[in-house]
Amino acid sequence: AQSVTQLDSQVPVFEEAPVELRCNYSSSVSVYLFWYVQYPNQGLQLLLKYLSGSTLVKGINGFEAEFNKSQTSFHLRKPSVHISDTAEYFCAVRFPYGKLTFGQGTILTVHP
Amino acid sequence: NAGVMQNPRHLVRRRGQEARLRCSPMKGHSHVYWYRQLPEEGLKFMVYLQKENIIDESGMPKERFSAEFPKEGPSILRIQQVVRGDSAAYFCASSPEGAGIHEQYFGPGTRLTVT
Repeated sequence: AQSVTQLDSQVPVFEEAPVELRCNYSSSVSVYLFWYVQYPNQGLQLLLKYLSGSTLVKGINGFEAEFNKSQTSFHLRKPSVHISDTAEYFCAVRFPYGKLTFGQGTILTVHP
Repeated sequence: NAGVMQNPRHLVRRRGQEARLRCSPMKGHSHVYWYRQLPEEGLKFMVYLQKENIIDESGMPKERFSAEFPKEGPSILRIQQVVRGDSAAYFCASSPEGAGIHEQYFGPGTRLTVT
């Protein structure tokens, strides 16, 4: 079985500061990894994905994530956040086919 | 290309009534997934369907819940005899065949309130 742990339920940060949202996963087989963002009362938008290849993945809105197989982690980073980045962020894993398994979510709040 | 469409966006039902949630996948997508977001519980997988077939229903409650994705028309998630605990946001996602199957595109969700 696969599981996802997002280590921080809430992350407050000031505007233009860097941020890291942590995600660890557990799986006995290779998985695909994703980060989604959810703005209030909206659906989920894909930020970035790791399927194979380079372990550093770049996504939309200036976000990037690094896949670390030995530590089973897929942390999300942004060097300088904006007020508009305030949202809830979900890490997810998936076998090559089928359902996504989500972490509990991390609420990122960017303060002016 | 229109995104994944869900309707209604908000649905209020009294206990014991039926709720029908509709999902129209993106054009050309033949894989549909349903997820439920309960307060304080995060997003949980419910069911995975292809046209006319249920592929994985391991996340569906054993009673009162059913899903279909007919050859023509939207996918339907049906909840019979709703209870207060069914109040949640229900999200549909779709993906295409081929290499793009690895990405799931989400709709805006249906927020069900059971009174």
